[in-house]
Amino acid sequence: GEDVEQSLFLSVREGDSSVINCTYTDSSSTYLYWYKQEPGAGLQLLTYIFSNMDMKQDQRLTVLLNKKDKHLSLRIADTQTGDSAIYFCAGLGGATNKLIFGTGTLLAVQP
Amino acid sequence: DGGITQSPKYLFRKEGQNVTLSCEQNLNHDAMYWYRQDPGQGLRLIYYSQIVNDFQKGDIAEGYSVSREKKESFPLTVTSAQKNPTAFYLCASSGGGQGKDTQYFGPGTRLTVL
Repeated sequence: GEDVEQSLFLSVREGDSSVINCTYTDSSSTYLYWYKQEPGAGLQLLTYIFSNMDMKQDQRLTVLLNKKDKHLSLRIADTQTGDSAIYFCAGLGGATNKLIFGTGTLLAVQP
Repeated sequence: DGGITQSPKYLFRKEGQNVTLSCEQNLNHDAMYWYRQDPGQGLRLIYYSQIVNDFQKGDIAEGYSVSREKKESFPLTVTSAQKNPTAFYLCASSGGGQGKDTQYFGPGTRLTVL
């Protein structure tokens, strides 16, 4: 079935760039999303990319999509301590129209 | 402010009791969803509704029930048949305009069974 995978943990220093990676199996996914979850809170939509795009930039966030390798990444420039959270990658299934979530990447930002 | 609200934030239940979690949205979205989140795992879909008076089972519907009598509201009942109900429950909605399938989430309800 459809699957989305992410690495579990990433640690960076404040001011550095963070790159969170995601791979997915459903080549028919139409949209791919990044959500942020702070402790005890719901999911906050950060950005999304349509499957016919290679890149999308939104202030400090850059999303890269490699459809051939089914690989999605989220780059956060000038990472701040407030960026510490769990980041979820999700793909909208082309056949099912359901969101399939990865297990999340915990980003820890060291001051 | 437009958004999705869930109540209560924390809920405690004794074994054998049914409990209902509230989800309300004022975004005029047609579709609403319930997810369950367990520690170290992604979100799993319980039920979803694409229109009023209609809903479908997600991947883990057993032990749960829903209703969709109003566009704004999609309550979730966790029944005594749910074997392991302690979890964080998230409601979402989507609909309207470009990216109409983009889901927006509420703040969640943490259910603990004592």
